[in-house]
Amino acid sequence: ELKVEQNPLFLSMQEGKNYTIYCNYSTTSDRLYWYRQDPGKSLESLFVLLSNGAVKQEGRLMASLDTKARLSTLHITAAVHDLSATYFCAVDKTGTASKLTFGTGTRLQVTL
Amino acid sequence: EPEVTQTPSHQVTQMGQEVILRCVPISNHLYFYWYRQILGQKVEFLVSFYNNEISEKSEIFDDQFSVERPDGSNFTLKIRSTKLEDSAMYFCASSEYKGQGKETQYFGPGTRLLVL
Repeated sequence: ELKVEQNPLFLSMQEGKNYTIYCNYSTTSDRLYWYRQDPGKSLESLFVLLSNGAVKQEGRLMASLDTKARLSTLHITAAVHDLSATYFCAVDKTGTASKLTFGTGTRLQVTL
Repeated sequence: EPEVTQTPSHQVTQMGQEVILRCVPISNHLYFYWYRQILGQKVEFLVSFYNNEISEKSEIFDDQFSVERPDGSNFTLKIRSTKLEDSAMYFCASSEYKGQGKETQYFGPGTRLLVL
């Protein structure tokens, strides 16, 4: 059974600081997604990483994928309050537009 | 920009009642999904649907659940006899097709179901 774990579960950081969220998964996969969820809202697609070594950047967020280590990271640069949300990674085990297995989520709180 | 829509946004029902949650996927998408999220927990897969049939389902998706695409636009999730533990946010998602990076699933706003 595919397991997806994120750490930390909760992250409180000051504006302007950098930090990294980690996503580990238990079986081989070459498709990993990052989603953002605001409280009570839906899931917004941030990144899709399709191959080993893939790196995507959007604004202050950068995601990478190491399929050999079964690890993805979401790096936050110079955090701002608007980034406060819960971030989920999700793995598509088979890469066949099948189910996504989500991580536990990381709740990010950026303080002024 | 096209988006997945869901109705109702909130539903309150009595235990044992049937509920139908409705979704309109993005129009050119071929794959449809239902997920649920119990308050404060992670998102869990329920079922995927392609070419008018279920392609995969989870252990959660037992005989009390069913899905249907009654016409060319709607995709529904029916819970026949609701239980207290069915209380959750239910998300519908759709994706375009397999390959070429088109597998990204786009999620609707969700239906918050409360079973009393």
